[in-house]
Amino acid sequence: SAVISQKPSRDICQRGTSLTIQCQVDSQVTMMFWYRQQPGQSLTLIATANQGSEATYESGFVIDKFPISRPNLTFSTLTVSNMSPEDSSIYLCSVVASGSSNEQFFGPGTRLTVL
Amino acid sequence: AQKITQTQPGMFVQEKEAVTLDCTYDTSDPSYGLFWYKQPSSGEMIFLIYQGSYDQQNATEGRYSLNFQKARKSANLVISASQLGDSAMYFCAMREGGNFNKFYFGSGTKLNVKP
Repeated sequence: SAVISQKPSRDICQRGTSLTIQCQVDSQVTMMFWYRQQPGQSLTLIATANQGSEATYESGFVIDKFPISRPNLTFSTLTVSNMSPEDSSIYLCSVVASGSSNEQFFGPGTRLTVL
Repeated sequence: AQKITQTQPGMFVQEKEAVTLDCTYDTSDPSYGLFWYKQPSSGEMIFLIYQGSYDQQNATEGRYSLNFQKARKSANLVISASQLGDSAMYFCAMREGGNFNKFYFGSGTKLNVKP
């Protein structure tokens, strides 16, 4: 299995500001993803973080709002830009470990509250 | 149509008893994978069990087993000998084919284990 850490674990931010969330994995992984879980809801895929190239965004999510970086196989960042209260969610990093497509692991999540 | 349906928003079970959490899915892809995750109040998503569409046997992991009924398109999670620490949200998910961005989550079931 892959051990995933996220920073920060939680934050309270002011409207209009930006927050960058970091995801670190203890081993090289083939696939990294970012998900959002709004209060009381299920998970929604934001984008696939591609190493060394632009992320692949799902419908309804754009790079200007959620810029993503993935400089190597074990690290990625997600920025939530120009935040509004509607961005209050848990943001989760997820990985598929190299050599096993049957398991998809999630990080501990970043609980974001926007005032 | 919903890809994953979990019809039980909340469930109660007595400690040490078994409980079944329901999950039905909808796909026309012959190759798919089914997952169950546990989300405690801390927010992390904990991978529990995986079932591939071509797997002949039902998956088991410790106290967790997946009752896979392919013709009915159901993938119910059975937790044996419930413990107080099992109280959490449980999400059923499906990945279609080899498409890692086609990973769909159900709405979740809140399980409460009573002492």
